Amino acid sequence: QLQLQESGPGLVKSSETLSLTCSVSGVSITDRSFFWGWIRQPPGKGLEWIGTFFWSGSTHYNPSLKSRITMSADTSKNQVSLSVTSVTAADSAVYYCARISAFYSYMDVWGKGTTVTVSS
Amino acid sequence: QSALTQPPSASGSPGQSVTISCTGTSSDVGGHNYVSWYQQHPGEAPKLVIFEVTERPSGVPDRFSASKSGNTASLTVSGLQPEDEADYYCSSYAGDNNFVFGTGTKVTVL
Repeated sequence: QLQLQESGPGLVKSSETLSLTCSVSGVSITDRSFFWGWIRQPPGKGLEWIGTFFWSGSTHYNPSLKSRITMSADTSKNQVSLSVTSVTAADSAVYYCARISAFYSYMDVWGKGTTVTVSS
Repeated sequence: QSALTQPPSASGSPGQSVTISCTGTSSDVGGHNYVSWYQQHPGEAPKLVIFEVTERPSGVPDRFSASKSGNTASLTVSGLQPEDEADYYCSSYAGDNNFVFGTGTKVTVL
């Protein structure tokens, strides 16, 4: 059964680095039919695409976040990871990972999300 | 890249129809047939309801339909049911491996 599960610390201090992991089951993250995305949603606000991890190992980030974002993967664990450096209160959000169809660019499977709060 | 523009709210009585617009630019909505729509109930993850402008994933009722004209995409929910009350977000491929979401619309079933 296809499942995505986000995990990471719920609380991060301002100026530190936020690190999250998306554990994927039911499909290999190296399957060429899919990419893997991170999306976030601040409290009471809309969705924001953070970036995409491609099965080839390459990445593409939202230009507005690019300088602070790194995505990587551990194929042995079938996990995709996200790091956000120098966090501020504006980075407090629910963070989702999602599977992206490589052909038609839609996000068809989502994790339940993990809430991250940045404290001062 | 700027968020796609959606009306903040829309409403309809049970059985009626509601249509939500999603306006972008020629770089995103108007330039690609990769518009998708997501339904999000409070406290839950978004759920795909439309992909590739007009296509419905398996399991999504045919009450959900969508279209696109120029730089504006639209989602119509016909025969509104109480469970359709949710936030709806459009999304579009924006070229160069970028994606953009809409501002979101809260649909209320009166």
